[in-house]
Amino acid sequence: DAGVIQSPRHEVTEMGQEVTLRCKPISGHNSLFWYRQTMMRGLELLIYFNNNVPIDDSGMPEDRFSAKMPNASFSTLKIQPSEPRDSAVYFCASSFQETNTEAFFGQGTRLTVV
Amino acid sequence: AQTVTQSQPEMSVQEAETVTLSCTYDTSESDYYLFWYKQPPSRQMILVIRQEAYKQQNATENRFSVNFQKAAKSFSLKISDSQLGDAAMYFCAYCSNTGKLIFGQGTTLQVKP
Repeated sequence: DAGVIQSPRHEVTEMGQEVTLRCKPISGHNSLFWYRQTMMRGLELLIYFNNNVPIDDSGMPEDRFSAKMPNASFSTLKIQPSEPRDSAVYFCASSFQETNTEAFFGQGTRLTVV
Repeated sequence: AQTVTQSQPEMSVQEAETVTLSCTYDTSESDYYLFWYKQPPSRQMILVIRQEAYKQQNATENRFSVNFQKAAKSFSLKISDSQLGDAAMYFCAYCSNTGKLIFGQGTTLQVKP
């Protein structure tokens, strides 16, 4: 398996634009997590899905953020409209919940909003 | 709600020496899992060690071991015989029995030659 795949690796966008981050989890995993990493706030859990259903989205900062998981092999995190304070590294991770084994992380997307 | 706290933003250790990174957590659950992850400058998140809360025996992986104190809700990581390649940010993580995985703020470890 190629691991968790995120795209793009880097994104630079102008304030006000829509940004879509994509994630393909490891095949067979049924939990998917979206995290945001910044120097000030560390690694924050934004939302997680189990069997494609959002379980906890309490970490989503505001209505400008939305996440979907239309099927077991794909998820998106969308920011609309984007703001400079959204600049961060966004990670996607997946795991197999029933065994609570480790979560495997993608390489992250570095988002810069100018 | 569960929380994870790493009170040491930065630590340093001399090569070949031993260092301990601290982590405390708060939860009302009795069944959960704890992890330490390493993030080198490449930013890839790498699992270092894993502990099941129902196990009293502390987990060990080569030079890495934990001191798990369930009553105190403490989960420290000990790195023995530190190597230059151990320099990274280390994150303590808590996984609830519902699968929610949360992280502490991280500790940056510097290894001095």
